[in-house]
Amino acid sequence: QKEVEQDPGPLSVPEGAIVSLNCTYSNSAFQYFMWYRQYSRKGPELLMYTYSSGNKEDGRFTAQVDKSSKYISLFIRDSQPSDSATYLCAMSVNDYKLSFGAGTTVTVRA
Amino acid sequence: NAGVMQNPRHLVRRRGQEARLRCSPMKGHSHVYWYRQLPEEGLKFMVYLQKENIIDESGMPKERFSAEFPKEGPSILRIQQVVRGDSAAYFCASSPQGARDQPQHFGDGTRLSIL
Repeated sequence: QKEVEQDPGPLSVPEGAIVSLNCTYSNSAFQYFMWYRQYSRKGPELLMYTYSSGNKEDGRFTAQVDKSSKYISLFIRDSQPSDSATYLCAMSVNDYKLSFGAGTTVTVRA
Repeated sequence: NAGVMQNPRHLVRRRGQEARLRCSPMKGHSHVYWYRQLPEEGLKFMVYLQKENIIDESGMPKERFSAEFPKEGPSILRIQQVVRGDSAAYFCASSPQGARDQPQHFGDGTRLSIL
């Protein structure tokens, strides 16, 4: 079993829709949770960083962490074509060794 | 652009040759991390370095791979006697002095192809 499992996708949604992305994990020692966005042929770009359970909002993005269920989510409201990318969840026990999901590719149709 | 700089962006090597990948961290960052991304897989941690020190190399293959971050100059990931299975995208990330709430910022990677 992989340490981090991410919904494989791909997802295709119309512009303006809500995008929902999910990851589950098996290591209960994970305490730092991140979401990265990766455009084709580019490096991962940090979107959200959270340490505790609960919700964190930043503009159109909301990250949700449920440590009891070992489940994290990212919601993108009012999605735009520029949101088309691969989204990676990442987590770590300490603050440096990140474990990544395989990524979910999202296409937002204009 | 003051981000993490990696070069070359693309590197082609024949089996048995050496590959040297370079990473210059963001200004003010003294911690460097290397990850490998295989097709259809997530990024896998390889090594964590600070200036002149390897902190954690638990993700590095035991043979042929080495990394350094000298006092002056970029961090180098070296792969000796490359094989086809080394073909991947190699990403470098950096962070400020290690502490909580200091997430890693990534470069655009080096895509290594082995002929």
